[in-house]
Amino acid sequence: EADIYQTPRYLVIGTGKKITLECSQTMGHDKMYWYQQDPGMELHLIHYSYGVNSTEKGDLSSESTVSRIRTEHFPLTLESARPSHTSQYLCASSDDLPGSSGNTIYFGEGSWLTVV
Amino acid sequence: AQKITQTQPGMFVQEKEAVTLDCTYDTSDQSYGLFWYKQPSSGEMIFLIYQGSYDEQNATEGRYSLNFQKARKSANLVISASQLGDSAMYFCAMREGLSGAGSYQLTFGKGTKLSVIP
Repeated sequence: EADIYQTPRYLVIGTGKKITLECSQTMGHDKMYWYQQDPGMELHLIHYSYGVNSTEKGDLSSESTVSRIRTEHFPLTLESARPSHTSQYLCASSDDLPGSSGNTIYFGEGSWLTVV
Repeated sequence: AQKITQTQPGMFVQEKEAVTLDCTYDTSDQSYGLFWYKQPSSGEMIFLIYQGSYDEQNATEGRYSLNFQKARKSANLVISASQLGDSAMYFCAMREGLSGAGSYQLTFGKGTKLSVIP
């Protein structure tokens, strides 16, 4: 079972507010990811990190930013939330070791964000 | 072009019966991995099964098995003895490049909603 945690699980905020979605994993994984998923749709990668002080943007353009100061922590921030940011945000991690087990990407429970 | 195609938006299966969820993929890489995830209505993504492109045997995990046909580029998920708790969205995903090299991201299909009927 994966040990990756996201808070908050559900958040309703007003337009223009700054929010941070927290993600922590206790598996010591180097690789971490943020995916965005609109209801009933597929997941799209918005950010990923190879390790501490490394962050890259994914295929789907996002106004959010991320940081990776510690291995276990990969928060996502929206400086000024808009209704178009309403979505589910899923954090994930993997250790990327050789062999089948290293290919598994584990997900957190997701954060449902609604901007009103 | 879609890299992962799941042609069944919704499927129904009788409890205790087996069901096959289809997935085809498109890649020019020789090294890749294929994943299936289950997403209940609560939203979390639960890893089910993994198949590497060089794995000769079809992957199995309990009631889940992956029917890997490399020449056809298909990776169908078979769930045996369906249970009511299997009702969920199921996503097929691909990672191009294996551990230690290549892309780190998963590309997902649009998903199949499975409903298990008592």
